[in-house]
Amino acid sequence: GENVEQHPSTLSVQEGDSAVIKCTYSDSASNYFPWYKQELGKGPQLIIDIRSNVGEKKDQRIAVTLNKTAKHFSLHITETQPEDSAVYFCAASKGYGGATNKLIFGTGTLLAVQP
Amino acid sequence: GAVVSQHPSRVICKSGTSVKIECRSLDFQATTMFWYRQFPKQSLMLMATSNEGSKATYEQGVEKDKFLINHASLTLSTLTVTSAHPEDSSFYICSATTGGGYTFGSGTRLTVV
Repeated sequence: GENVEQHPSTLSVQEGDSAVIKCTYSDSASNYFPWYKQELGKGPQLIIDIRSNVGEKKDQRIAVTLNKTAKHFSLHITETQPEDSAVYFCAASKGYGGATNKLIFGTGTLLAVQP
Repeated sequence: GAVVSQHPSRVICKSGTSVKIECRSLDFQATTMFWYRQFPKQSLMLMATSNEGSKATYEQGVEKDKFLINHASLTLSTLTVTSAHPEDSSFYICSATTGGGYTFGSGTRLTVV
């Protein structure tokens, strides 16, 4: 089945610096790649997603890149702020929701932004 | 946007009792709901997929008689942890989809004492 690897497991940056989190997936049929932010004791919140027909997507300080050939995708956060501190999860599925498209999660990255 | 309400947010129960967790899609009809389990400092592990009006599909290693899932309507799915034991203590999260992405509930912290 699908396997999603995520690195690094922890990341500490200074406020204002950039943060990059990388994921690889195993199933070439995967075509939807969301990123979630999870704060302590809460459910995951979608922050950005990308589908396999594009290579990059940006939303203000957050961007995601996708390399289908290498089966890699990455999250880029620029101008980090203390409120960006949380656990970030990447995920992959074979479709954009629906009954048969299970989301498989990466192992998570604990991001700490030092003021 | 799509909202999924999950209740309760926290529950403490005695060993041997059963606990029910509800997941409701508030402003859309969810044809499919997913149930995840998350241990401290770990990722979300998919437990089962439930489709309205049919039996849930459980992931390998998940006991279907222990974790009963009911998806009786397009807006409500329930997870019942039967005969709970301390090792069932965990964070349970539901997710709903109609085919246009996935919306997650806020999670339920279950503590079995």
